[in-house]
Amino acid sequence: GESVGLHLPTLSVQEGDNSIINCAYSNSASDYFIWYKQESGKGPQFIIDIRSNMDKRQGQRVTVLLNKTVKHLSLQIAATQPGDSAVYFCAETTGDYGQNFVFGPGTRLSVLP
Amino acid sequence: DGGITQSPKYLFRKEGQNVTLSCEQNLNHDAMYWYRQDPGQGLRLIYYSQIVNDFQKGDIAEGYSVSREKKESFPLTVTSAQKNPTAFYLCASSIRKETQYFGPGTRLLVL
Repeated sequence: GESVGLHLPTLSVQEGDNSIINCAYSNSASDYFIWYKQESGKGPQFIIDIRSNMDKRQGQRVTVLLNKTVKHLSLQIAATQPGDSAVYFCAETTGDYGQNFVFGPGTRLSVLP
Repeated sequence: DGGITQSPKYLFRKEGQNVTLSCEQNLNHDAMYWYRQDPGQGLRLIYYSQIVNDFQKGDIAEGYSVSREKKESFPLTVTSAQKNPTAFYLCASSIRKETQYFGPGTRLLVL
């Protein structure tokens, strides 16, 4: 099949539990961050974003936390469902246009029945 | 139904052949991007375009070429100079530096 990230770190969670996926970013000047979800063989799908003037942002079943002190970003998924199984990766950027986006390699989330 | 389309889904390239990947968007976004995705790595930028008739090289532009004759279209040509073209290619578009929205991708394989 078309696997994205054959050797990615994997997080396995039971269906219904909460998931926490972490991302360490590299540039202390980055001011905009995005989490994407990518299913096998498909393009990345936007989940949630956050700007550097915020510490936390909530969406539907998802929360992003930003800790600028240690350059750390996390994605929390509440009540994880089988459809959440995918590779999740973060992106950081600074500058006026998207040419400065830096994408992490991702974490594979596996939801166990 | 707005979005980004890429074609074909699979593309096979013979030795020494140039191939072109299509990317079209109807989101009225000014900026468009091409990325390459390899297993275990983050997306790497090949080329980007901020406006029509203008484009810039990204981090791994060697062996690739693009054009931006229309706002909606940003085709990528993988030339014979690209010695390791096997990868998953993703096109994206955005309004300036805001969220980039991705197409479904094209998987390029070498025969």
